[in-house]
Order: sequence, then structure tokens, then C-alpha cells
Amino acid sequence: EVQLVESGGGLVQAGGSLRLSCAASGFTFNNYWMSWVRQAPGKGLEWVGSIKQDGSVKNYVDSVKGRFTMSRDNAMRSLYLQMNGLRAEDTAVYFCAKWTLSNNWYWIDFWGQGTLVTVSS
Amino acid sequence: QTVVTQEPSLSVSPGGTVTLTCGLPSGSVSSSNQPSWYQQTPGRAPRTLICGTNTRCSGVPDRFSGSILENKAALTITGAQADDDSHYYCLLFMGSGGWVFGGGTKLTVL
Repeated sequence: EVQLVESGGGLVQAGGSLRLSCAASGFTFNNYWMSWVRQAPGKGLEWVGSIKQDGSVKNYVDSVKGRFTMSRDNAMRSLYLQMNGLRAEDTAVYFCAKWTLSNNWYWIDFWGQGTLVTVSS
Repeated sequence: QTVVTQEPSLSVSPGGTVTLTCGLPSGSVSSSNQPSWYQQTPGRAPRTLICGTNTRCSGVPDRFSGSILENKAALTITGAQADDDSHYYCLLFMGSGGWVFGGGTKLTVL
């Protein structure tokens, strides 16, 4: 059974830093792209970024470029999100997500339960 | 940042059929955008409905179907049930490694 378990959320002051982790199990972690997706309170889903299987390619939404960094440790089957320079608008539930590919088509097939990040101003 | 449009809200009667759409104000949605669809109830993680080439993901009832219709991605629910009362989001690939979710549709079954 695929499981994605996020941790590391909490309350932080504006300008501060936080590191989120996602522990993966039930699949061959190093075979898949992974992402972080966030959802501000009462708002829709927002793709934050994606990281390739070997960590060599990372893409981010414009609003977090230069502040957030994704990484992964395939030996530990873990995904990370280092968040620096946090702003009030970064307040959200952050979901870890696994991608899959079939017939040249990508989609997210599994989601974690999310971890809440609250940035106080 | 690219905007992906969805109807903010729709309603359907139990047993009825409804189509949710996902569009680009600046152009057409095509298979190159690799549209996928997700359902989310408040307080829970999203659930993936449509995976690739308009295919239902594992365990998704056959009343859900995906397509590209008149330059938009579309999710059709045929024979809506009370359980379908939820939020629905599309996701599009916008090139250069970037993905964008639509703003979401709140579907009410009443």
C-alpha cells in the first residue's frame, strides 16, 4: 500500500524558515517524480514544485522561486521542502504527492494527508 | 502565472448529468496539457479521478469520465450521487516543467 506521510509543519513567524518532510512507502520511491502541493485555508490547490527521480531537475511555481528548495533522499525514501523567507501568504496545508507516467501522460496518483504551515505576521 | 478557469460552482440533481470544464483564457486545452482531475472534500486529501488519456483511476466509479471538449478539458458525471457533492480540480501542464491547478468547482448535488 502506498503511503505518504508529511511532517514538520507548525507555526513560524514571517521571515522564518521551516523544513517539511515526506516519508514514502509502498512503492519504489526512486522511480517517480514527486511534488509538493499546497492549499491555503478556504482556497484551492496550488502546485508548489516537482523534483525528478534523481533530484537533478526541480521546478517551482514563481511565487516560491528563490525561497523554497525541494530535495529528496532516495536511500531514506524521503522528500523534503526547505522553506525560507516565509510570508503570511505561504500559510497552507502542504501535501506530498507522487506522480506516475503512462503513455506519455503524467498525473498525481497518490497524496499524503498534509501538514499545516502557519506563518504569523 | 497562468490562469486555469473552472466554473466556481455547479449543481446537479441526484441521477442527473453534469459536465465540469477546465479552460485556458489565452488558448485551447489539448492533450499536450495532460489534463487530470481530482476530487476533494473539506479537510481531506485530494483523490485522483481521471488519470491520463481520459482514463478513470483505479477504484473510480464509471459514472465519472474525462474528455477534451470544445478546446477545454471536461469531467462528466453521469448519474450523480449524493457522495459526489464535493470540490473538483483540474490540473494542466503548462510547459517548462510547470503545472497549474484550476480554481476548482464546488459541485452541489440536490
